[in-house]
Amino acid sequence: SQKIEQNSEALNIQEGKTATLTCNYTNYSPAYLQWYRQDPGRGPVFLLLIRENEKEKRKERLKVTFDTTLKQSLFHITASQPADSATYLCAPRGSSNTGKLIFGQGTTLQVKP
Amino acid sequence: DAGVIQSPRHEVTEMGQEVTLRCKPISGHNSLFWYRQTMMRGLELLIYFNNNVPIDDSGMPEDRFSAKMPNASFSTLKIQPSEPRDSAVYFCASSFRGQPNEKLFFGSGTQLSVL
Repeated sequence: SQKIEQNSEALNIQEGKTATLTCNYTNYSPAYLQWYRQDPGRGPVFLLLIRENEKEKRKERLKVTFDTTLKQSLFHITASQPADSATYLCAPRGSSNTGKLIFGQGTTLQVKP
Repeated sequence: DAGVIQSPRHEVTEMGQEVTLRCKPISGHNSLFWYRQTMMRGLELLIYFNNNVPIDDSGMPEDRFSAKMPNASFSTLKIQPSEPRDSAVYFCASSFRGQPNEKLFFGSGTQLSVL
């Protein structure tokens, strides 16, 4: 069955450092992969999408990579700030499905000042 | 746009009672999703609709759960009878199927507590 794995342990880093979050998937051939941010008491919010033919995507301080051989996506936040503290969810989507979007468990990031 | 609107925001009920959660998707969106989130299981897809038609309900836990989408601007998720293990945050999300990015827009969720 399809499986998505994200670091279950919270990631604690110091302000200004780069945070790197991992998303691994199995039994999937996603055409693209999305990353979402979720704050406590709120619904997830879309951040970035990367397609299978893209190795890297950037948006301001965010960078996402997509390695279809390793079946892995990395999500980087450079120059992290306390405001970046949240839970980050990945969601690979296959090209053959009709719209179904399954999420990983999410990794909680805590940026300390 | 007001975004995806869910009601109620919080619901506390007793075991055995019927619970109805409501969702108004973003105008113009043609796909609607119901998710359930718990600490143990994360964000689980329960069911999704495309053009008001249920496409995949394989995530619905059991027959106690049912979902409807009578028109493009309204959907309900009903639990009857409710059980304590149904306690979770229920999210509704909508998107425009066919758009290249097809990102989901989530509501604020309904926090359900079944006592």
